[in-house]
Amino acid sequence: GQNIDQPTEMTATEGAIVQINCTYQTSGFNGLFWYQQHAGEAPTFLSYNVLDGLEEKGRFSSFLSRSKGYSYLLLKELQMKDSASYLCAVRRNFNKFYFGSGTKLNVKP
Amino acid sequence: DTEVTQTPKHLVMGMTNKKSLKCEQHMGHRAMYWYKQKAKKPPELMFVYSYEKLSINESVPSRFSPECPNSSLLNLHLHALQPEDSALYLCASSQEKTRQKSYEQYFGPGTRLTVT
Repeated sequence: GQNIDQPTEMTATEGAIVQINCTYQTSGFNGLFWYQQHAGEAPTFLSYNVLDGLEEKGRFSSFLSRSKGYSYLLLKELQMKDSASYLCAVRRNFNKFYFGSGTKLNVKP
Repeated sequence: DTEVTQTPKHLVMGMTNKKSLKCEQHMGHRAMYWYKQKAKKPPELMFVYSYEKLSINESVPSRFSPECPNSSLLNLHLHALQPEDSALYLCASSQEKTRQKSYEQYFGPGTRLTVT
């Protein structure tokens, strides 16, 4: 299996910034992806990194350090609709995607 | 069109039944995937098709049989399932990876399967 670890649950306030961490150990690394999943719905793509550094997409940014096996997703200007589970997924060779257990984010007024 | 469709949305079947799940995409993606997701768990990879050929089978029991009739369609044939196979079955598609870029997956809404 894959060792992909994320915090189980986090709580943040509307308008704030939250950082969700993901650590992984894998061979054949080919990118790290972040997905959002609302309860009962399919995952939707947010951001990905294949090289080290920060990728910014609007209110969402993702960072990767391949040498440390570490990534984070940064959500700015939190909105109530951001309450969801956030999944990090590691892509290995040959289209193998493996998901972490997900971080449930609760956004409070 | 960035949509992956799946039918049916819900399926209840007995342990002796044979049924099929269907998935379709028209984005020209050449990689297609089946995942199984239990409640409050992450999606687990089952099968991957690349250019209509099965490239990955994650040691899935033979009671699950995938099929890729063409580049837009992906089926999952079910036979003699067990109650523990009850889950949300997600289909996804993506472009094939190039040297410069890796591509995200687009997920369908899933089929919620209950085995009685």
